[in-house]
Amino acid sequence: AQSVTQLDSQVPVFEEAPVELRCNYSSSVSVYLFWYVQYPNQGLQLLLKYLSGSTLVKGINGFEAEFNKSQTSFHLRKPSVHISDTAEYFCAVTDFGNEKLTFGTGTRLTIIP
Amino acid sequence: EAGVAQSPRYKIIEKRQSVAFWCNPISGHATLYWYQQILGQGPKLLIQFQNNGVVDDSQLPKDRFSAERLKGVDSTLKIQPAKLEDSAVYLCASSLDLAVSNTEAFFGQGTRLTVV
Repeated sequence: AQSVTQLDSQVPVFEEAPVELRCNYSSSVSVYLFWYVQYPNQGLQLLLKYLSGSTLVKGINGFEAEFNKSQTSFHLRKPSVHISDTAEYFCAVTDFGNEKLTFGTGTRLTIIP
Repeated sequence: EAGVAQSPRYKIIEKRQSVAFWCNPISGHATLYWYQQILGQGPKLLIQFQNNGVVDDSQLPKDRFSAERLKGVDSTLKIQPAKLEDSAVYLCASSLDLAVSNTEAFFGQGTRLTVV
């Protein structure tokens, strides 16, 4: 069975600074990988997903993530954050052929003005 | 486009009472999911419907939880009787079809349940 580890439960970052949110996964088969964002008082929203092809995936709101198979990682990055990026971010994985999302525990991103 | 609607937004009940949550998915979405999100954890899939049939309910505690999706549209999730450990946010999501790789799952705002 697949699993996801988000090592950082909280990440404070100054406004306009870069940020990286870490995600590692475990699976015995090939996977699809996702990042979701949950803004305060809102539902989960898909940021980006990796299915195949280029390992660098671009998503909404200037976010991107890089799939690294050897390190079983899918870290999320943004070169310059804004106050509006304050939210909780969830990494998720699903195996090929078993398309049920397994979520990590989430990382709360706090932007410091 | 209207999103996934859930009600109520908040609910406080005493242990051993029963509670029901309602979800109205996006129009035309065949697949509907219920997730449980306990504080400090990621969402965990409880049950997945395709139209009005159950695809996966392997993680649903069937001794106390039940769910139905009549007519393949709206869905209700019920807990009877509730336990303290059921305190969580219950998320409903819908997608066009089963394959999350081909389609996007849209989530509602959730219902926050507190059992005291």
